[in-house]
Amino acid sequence: DAGVTQSPTHLIKTRGQQVTLRCSPKSGHDTVSWYQQALGQGPQFIFQYYEEEERQRGNFPDRFSGHQFPNYSSELNVNALLLGDSALYLCASSSSTGAGTEAFFGQGTRLTVV
Amino acid sequence: QKEVEQNSGPLSVPEGAIASLNCTYSDRGSQSFFWYRQYSGKSPELIMFIYSNGDKEDGRFTAQLNKASQYVSLLIRDSQPSDSATYLCAVSRLPGGFKTIFGAGTRLFVKA
Repeated sequence: DAGVTQSPTHLIKTRGQQVTLRCSPKSGHDTVSWYQQALGQGPQFIFQYYEEEERQRGNFPDRFSGHQFPNYSSELNVNALLLGDSALYLCASSSSTGAGTEAFFGQGTRLTVV
Repeated sequence: QKEVEQNSGPLSVPEGAIASLNCTYSDRGSQSFFWYRQYSGKSPELIMFIYSNGDKEDGRFTAQLNKASQYVSLLIRDSQPSDSATYLCAVSRLPGGFKTIFGAGTRLFVKA
């Protein structure tokens, strides 16, 4: 049973560029959440996708957008990259039904903006 | 006031001792409470979750929840050097990890 998978694992981008990060949820999970984790900080909630729609959003600018596909996989897009966007981006999947509603993380994508 | 507060540590305990990690939260509507372990350079790994007041035990780990005091704790018995990591407390209003809010984490060192 594959867990949550993210791609790519590492990425280097130039300030002002755009980036797309991808996430495949754990089998049986239908909800995907994205987090940004700066060094020494806890993960910060960006947004959550369920039924292909953004269900909730954290305090992130509109430069951060996302998408969920019918197979529950998801993308995180960041436009006009800033140096401060350098962080570990984490995807977590969970189930909207049943007893197992805990969120499980992928291995993350380390984004460096130069 | 931060939504989820943890002592950043580091907390240092000898091998075999009990490590006690604490967390307070501000949202009284929180219903789900989680503890994640994160090794340096890795992603968080879920180790415990608790939804009801009281204690929940899983192997060497015990999670304790007191909603009236808005307090969650994690006890690690017989601490091992491999337990050395950052422990993240997380809370959510709803199941399914709905907008789960994380603390900044407590660094734990277990000395051999």
